[in-house]
Amino acid sequence: AQKVTQAQTEISVVEKEDVTLDCVYETRDTTYYLFWYKQPPSGELVFLIRRNSFDEQNEISGRYSWNFQKSTSSFNFTITASQVVDSAVYFCALSELITGGGNKLTFGTGTQLKVEL
Amino acid sequence: DTAVSQTPKYLVTQMGNDKSIKCEQNLGHDTMYWYKQDSKKFLKIMFSYNNKELIINETVPNRFSPKSPDKAHLNLHINSLELGDSAVYFCASKGRGQGIGNEQFFGPGTRLTVL
Repeated sequence: AQKVTQAQTEISVVEKEDVTLDCVYETRDTTYYLFWYKQPPSGELVFLIRRNSFDEQNEISGRYSWNFQKSTSSFNFTITASQVVDSAVYFCALSELITGGGNKLTFGTGTQLKVEL
Repeated sequence: DTAVSQTPKYLVTQMGNDKSIKCEQNLGHDTMYWYKQDSKKFLKIMFSYNNKELIINETVPNRFSPKSPDKAHLNLHINSLELGDSAVYFCASKGRGQGIGNEQFFGPGTRLTVL
C-alpha cells in the first residue's frame, strides 16, 4: 500500500529564515508521481508542484525548491527567505494509477508552517 | 471563473438529517473526486468517478452516496448524519492528459458541522 510520511507536524520560523519540509514515501510502483499542495488559513488546496518517478532533477521556482531523491524515497520542499504569507499547512501526496482511468492521491498528514515576524 | 465549485460552503445540521453537497467543474475534466478532511487536517479520498462511472470507493459508510449526473458534476448525499461526519469535504477534478501525473484541482471545500 502507498504511504506518505510527513514527520514534522509543526514548524515555526522567523521571517527570512530558510525552512525545509520533509516528505518520505513508500510505494511498490515503478511509475508514480509526487505532489506538494499548500493549504493556507483560508482553507483551499493549492497545487504547487508535480514530479514523476523518472525525473530526479531538482526544481526551483522563485523561493521554492524541491529535492527528489529516489534512493531515500524522499521529496523534500525548501522555502528560502520565508515570509509570513508562507504560513500554511503543506501536504505531500503520492499518486497511484487506478483501474478505470483515474488516479488516487495518498496524502501525508501535513506540516503546519508558521512564519513569524 | 471558478474551476471547481462546491455548494454550500458551510453546512450546519442536526444529527439524523440527510444532506447533499454539490460539486461542479468547468475544466472539461473526465475524473472527479470527493475527499474528507478531518479535524486533524488529515485528507482521505472517499470516491472517484471517471466519465460518470464509479472507479474508487474507499471504505466509506453506505450512508454516503455519490451521484454523477454528467462529467461536470459530482454530488455527495449523506443520509442519517452522525457527529463523526463533521469535517471539511473537498471535491476535486483531474484531466486525462498525463494519466496519473495530472494534478487534481480542488474546490474550496464544504465545512459540514453536525450538532
